[in-house]
Amino acid sequence: GQSLEQPSEVTAVEGAIVQINCTYQTSGFYGLSWYQQHDGGAPTFLSYNALDGLEETGRFSSFLSRSDSYGYLLLQELQMKDSASYFCAVDAIDAGKSTFGDGTTLTVKP
Amino acid sequence: DAGVIQSPRHEVTEMGQEVTLRCKPISGHDYLFWYRQTMMRGLELLIYFNNNVPIDDSGMPEDRFSAKMPNASFSTLKIQPSEPRDSAVYFCASSLYPEAFFGQGTRLTVV
Repeated sequence: GQSLEQPSEVTAVEGAIVQINCTYQTSGFYGLSWYQQHDGGAPTFLSYNALDGLEETGRFSSFLSRSDSYGYLLLQELQMKDSASYFCAVDAIDAGKSTFGDGTTLTVKP
Repeated sequence: DAGVIQSPRHEVTEMGQEVTLRCKPISGHDYLFWYRQTMMRGLELLIYFNNNVPIDDSGMPEDRFSAKMPNASFSTLKIQPSEPRDSAVYFCASSLYPEAFFGQGTRLTVV
């Protein structure tokens, strides 16, 4: 089967940098995705890593280490609107499509 | 494109009734997924289709749940009979791998 672990809650202040970690266990790993979900809303895609390294998209970056079964989402210059839940999701060839982690609730304070 | 469209947005039904949730994926996307989200269980993949063919339905909780995709522009998730523990937000998503686009969800309440 597949399992993912990410912190349940993270708090940071506006303008700061925060890192949300995700460790996973799966066979046939294909890629790691990150999604953002605001209260009452739908998950929206942020990034995807299939290869080791850092992917940067504006204020958000995502990192993957396949050998460590580990990834993280880095959010820079935090804004109040970044308060949301962030999910990592792992794709595995033999287990179908994305299995989501339990999510990390990010609270950004003034 | 208007994105993934789900209907209804909210559904309240009595236990034992049949419930049908509908989804119109984004044109051209070859994957379609049905997810269920609850506080207790998080976001669970129920079933997914590739080119209208069901690929993996191992997440469907019971035989009371069924899903169809008769064509590339429409899918349904049916629960018959519904039970209070089916209360959740049900999301449909479509994808041109790896990015999945989610609909706004159907909030189902079974009383």
